Amino acid sequence: SQQGEEDPQALSIQEGENATMNCSYKTSINNLQWYRQNSGRGLVHLILIRSNEREKHSGRLRVTLDTSKKSSSLLITASRAADTASYFCATQRGNNNDMRFGAGTRLTVKP
Amino acid sequence: NAGVTQTPKFRVLKTGQSMTLLCAQDMNHEYMYWYRQDPGMGLRLIHYSVGEGTTAKGEVPDGYNVSRLKKQNFLLGLESAAPSQTSVYFCASSYPGPPPWGETQYFGPGTRLLVL
Repeated sequence: SQQGEEDPQALSIQEGENATMNCSYKTSINNLQWYRQNSGRGLVHLILIRSNEREKHSGRLRVTLDTSKKSSSLLITASRAADTASYFCATQRGNNNDMRFGAGTRLTVKP
Repeated sequence: NAGVTQTPKFRVLKTGQSMTLLCAQDMNHEYMYWYRQDPGMGLRLIHYSVGEGTTAKGEVPDGYNVSRLKKQNFLLGLESAAPSQTSVYFCASSYPGPPPWGETQYFGPGTRLLVL
């Protein structure tokens, strides 16, 4: 079963605007990761946030994690047309090695 | 470095046929994974391996077998393909981080499989 649920399923914005995507999950986790997938390609890792962290930044990306609400958000600032892709959150639990992915948010950035 | 490569890129099978998907990585990663991605769903883990000679079941293992005879290769086999196995298959690899933390995964470009 999927662990992460992204919201919204699809998001369309203008270039230069900020994009916010949310992820909720059901069980306790060790870390949560965000990945990007361009159409027809494999997933590319963006950022990892551990369960004892609340916020991380990487370039134009800002990720927050609220373990009490079992939710995370990914903010892309000053979006570009090249940011058009699907974004997935993935959670890693316990000591096992499998990650559970959500269904993704499809982001379209219009030039 | 080529990273993670997958062979073939696209394949059409008839119901009941068998095939093997090959994944290769040149990053000396210990862990390797096979996922399937279906429309409207996230990736689901089929099988994974934590080292040469080891394999373990993931979330949706039925109908698939795997082998990890060499550290750099992870093979996914379909013994008798079914239309329900039509999907895009992704291989990934990772280097284990200090427990209990995980590490990021590096993905291949995917194999599109159509079972008629």
